[in-house]
Amino acid sequence: NAGVTQTPKFRVLKTGQSMTLLCAQDMNHEYMYWYRQDPGMGLRLIHYSVGEGTTAKGEVPDGYNVSRLKKQNFLLGLESAAPSQTSVYFCASSYHRGNTGELFFGEGSRLTVL
Amino acid sequence: LAKTTQPISMDSYEGQEVNITCSHNNIATNDYITWYQQFPSQGPRFIIQGYKTKVTNEVASLFIPADRKSSTLSLPRVSLSDTAVYYCLVGDMEGKSTFGDGTTLTVKP
Repeated sequence: NAGVTQTPKFRVLKTGQSMTLLCAQDMNHEYMYWYRQDPGMGLRLIHYSVGEGTTAKGEVPDGYNVSRLKKQNFLLGLESAAPSQTSVYFCASSYHRGNTGELFFGEGSRLTVL
Repeated sequence: LAKTTQPISMDSYEGQEVNITCSHNNIATNDYITWYQQFPSQGPRFIIQGYKTKVTNEVASLFIPADRKSSTLSLPRVSLSDTAVYYCLVGDMEGKSTFGDGTTLTVKP
């Protein structure tokens, strides 16, 4: 039982390049989330999903796209990376909707955009 | 979205009780209050959640006054391993939850 797994854990991009972060959970959770965390700050919600085939915008969605084609996977895409997107990205999943239950987080993906 | 405000940092000594307060003046009727702990280079980990009054589990207690505009996380008898960043999270069933900037707790021997 791996919980929430994020790949890759580290990535360096040049400005304008694209990439996809993969989040996989094996807990059969309906709800999944992508957050970003900048140095010394809290987590900010980028996008979330309340079930397979659904996605919704969070606090800071600009510059990102997401897809939830399978229940266990939630993909975060950057179409044209910018230095402002340098951050640590965390994926989370939950059995309960929204903030009514425990969020299970992955270990993070550290992205640097040069 | 309800904005949360926490102290930036706190210091304590091993064996002491630590209370961290979070202000959330604009909390909505359907919002729950959740606290998470985060160690460096790790994702946050759930500590406790509540809606009103007092909640207690094996690691912490959460006190929420009647007006719900604040909440206090209480950690009994902290140890060095409790040194971490603690986040107060306020949100509802729609998934839009707001993390504050967290409180860095340093436990000294």
